[in-house]
Amino acid sequence: DAGVIQSPRHEVTEMGQEVTLRCKPISGHNSLFWYRQTMMRGLELLIYFNNNVPIDDSGMPEDRFSAKMPNASFSTLKIQPSEPRDSAVYFCASSFFQGQYSNQPQHFGDGTRLSIL
Amino acid sequence: KQEVTQIPAALSVPEGENLVLNCSFTDSAIYNLQWFRQDPGKGLTSLLLIQSSQREQTSGRLNASLDKSSGRSTLYIAASQPGDSATYLCAVGSSNTGKLIFGQGTTLQVKP
Repeated sequence: DAGVIQSPRHEVTEMGQEVTLRCKPISGHNSLFWYRQTMMRGLELLIYFNNNVPIDDSGMPEDRFSAKMPNASFSTLKIQPSEPRDSAVYFCASSFFQGQYSNQPQHFGDGTRLSIL
Repeated sequence: KQEVTQIPAALSVPEGENLVLNCSFTDSAIYNLQWFRQDPGKGLTSLLLIQSSQREQTSGRLNASLDKSSGRSTLYIAASQPGDSATYLCAVGSSNTGKLIFGQGTTLQVKP
């Protein structure tokens, strides 16, 4: 079975450029999560969707960050304009949410390693 | 605000040893706790999920326990192997929001 697929795996770009990260969740999963991982702050939840609707975006650091989920099989995380402090590994994860008390594990993609010069 | 702490940050053991990784959390209002493994350059792989009503879960050589009242969980690895070398992360599921709050992880090295 295909897992969570993220693209690109690596992205190097200059400060000020727009960056778009992509995620395809596992088929049948109805919850999608975007995380950021750095040495200093560890793994942080940025935003998550349930049934394509953003539920909690309190982890999104600034207005420069935005996320969309136009359908059940695709999501994007966009940074515009990018800054060097945005350099991190960005993970997408998906799970099947069964009501308020979900007990299904999250499945992670391999991440996008982003470097902003 | 929920905080998750993992001690130690790093651990090195000889092959064959049994070991315990620790996780503590500050708010006992959780509905599950998950242990993940992360290999270098890779995403996280779910190892075990313990529901708040459970005390432990087992999978092969892995056993995870949960004590909500004391805010603690342990991951027990029996007969460790070099292939177990990785970073192990503990994550607590919130009762209110469905979010996972992660610890900083314990990096394990098992020497042949």
